[in-house]
Amino acid sequence: DAGVTQSPTHLIKTRGQQVTLRCSPKSGHDTVSWYQQALGQGPQFIFQYYEEEERQRGNFPDRFSGHQFPNYSSELNVNALLLGDSALYLCASSHLVNYGYTFGSGTRLTVV
Amino acid sequence: SQQGEEDPQALSIQEGENATMNCSYKTSINNLQWYRQNSGRGLVHLILIRSNEREKHSGRLRVTLDTSKKSSSLLITASRAADTASYFCATDADDKIIFGKGTRLHILP
Repeated sequence: DAGVTQSPTHLIKTRGQQVTLRCSPKSGHDTVSWYQQALGQGPQFIFQYYEEEERQRGNFPDRFSGHQFPNYSSELNVNALLLGDSALYLCASSHLVNYGYTFGSGTRLTVV
Repeated sequence: SQQGEEDPQALSIQEGENATMNCSYKTSINNLQWYRQNSGRGLVHLILIRSNEREKHSGRLRVTLDTSKKSSSLLITASRAADTASYFCATDADDKIIFGKGTRLHILP
């Protein structure tokens, strides 16, 4: 049973560019949450998707947007990249009636 | 924003000793979870304790929850080198899970 799959694993982008990160949730999970983790910090909640709708959102600007597809997979888009967007981006999936998250291995984004 | 605050920020102990990490949080919660992260990779779910529970065990892990003090502790008994990692508490409130800054645990041989 595959866990959460994220792609790509590493990415280097230039300031001002746009990036799309992808996540496939664990089988049986219908909720996807995205987190940004800067070096040495805890994961910061970006947003959560359920039934193709954004259910919750953290304190992130509109440059961060997302999407969930009918098969529950999800994308995170970041526009107009800043150097400060360099971080590990983590996707976590869950089923609403259970509360433990299953995390992917993350996408390491470097903005230069 | 961070909901939970782990204490200490870093901890080094000898292999075989017990490690205790604490977490304090600010608002009412549905449950509290502990996660482990190795070398900046994905987080691994360790244990979940619900707001109406006071103590929970899983293998060498023991978690306590005191909702009156808004605090939790994670005890790892008989530590091993493989326990070297960062440990995060995460609180579930309003159906979103918020993480603390973590405790970096280093097990010395």
